[in-house]
Amino acid sequence: QQQVKQSPQSLIVQKGGISIINCAYENTAFDYFPWYQQFPGKGPALLIAIRPDVSEKKEGRFTISFNKSAKQFSLHIMDSQPGDSATYFCAASIGNAGNMLTFGGGTRLMVKP
Amino acid sequence: NAGVTQTPKFQVLKTGQSMTLQCAQDMNHNSMYWYRQDPGMGLRLIYYSASEGTTDKGEVPNGYNVSRLNKREFSLRLESAAPSQTSVYFCASTKSGTARAEAFFGQGTRLTVV
Repeated sequence: QQQVKQSPQSLIVQKGGISIINCAYENTAFDYFPWYQQFPGKGPALLIAIRPDVSEKKEGRFTISFNKSAKQFSLHIMDSQPGDSATYFCAASIGNAGNMLTFGGGTRLMVKP
Repeated sequence: NAGVTQTPKFQVLKTGQSMTLQCAQDMNHNSMYWYRQDPGMGLRLIYYSASEGTTDKGEVPNGYNVSRLNKREFSLRLESAAPSQTSVYFCASTKSGTARAEAFFGQGTRLTVV
């Protein structure tokens, strides 16, 4: 049973468009929600993260929206670029539990020029 | 500026063979982790080591053993490989004592068991 469910599995967006990836979680003890970006042949790398005491966090073209009551959070990539083409993973962890991450299934994003 | 280094990058094993995946980090991190990545499943935690001298099971530990050799190195051993262990394996590390710490990943080991 996956504790963090991610959708869609794949996404194709035109250059300049908005990419939206959604995640839902079940464990209400989760209190840290990072997004990782993975390029082919590489390990995942932290992109942006949010804590549940805020509803939105923005870093450049990347924004996390968080809805605690619905137990959902999403990643928005504004003005998507071909260089954003990668696999994106949402994740969740419990802050005082060893930093172990529970990952969603991943979304393969392709941004067409 | 190596970060987290995994060896080997690729490996093919026959069913029943054993092997050890090596991981080393040079960031003076105390906590280290082994994940496996399978299509549609994301990354799942196999084992982790919160600090030197300690190891604990993660979500999918069956068929694996680990050794925290020292602060830098954390190895993953498959004693009798099975086709179900075909996967990409990632080692990661985090700064000790910091909740919600960023995880740094190696480049992965692609393992095929035939």
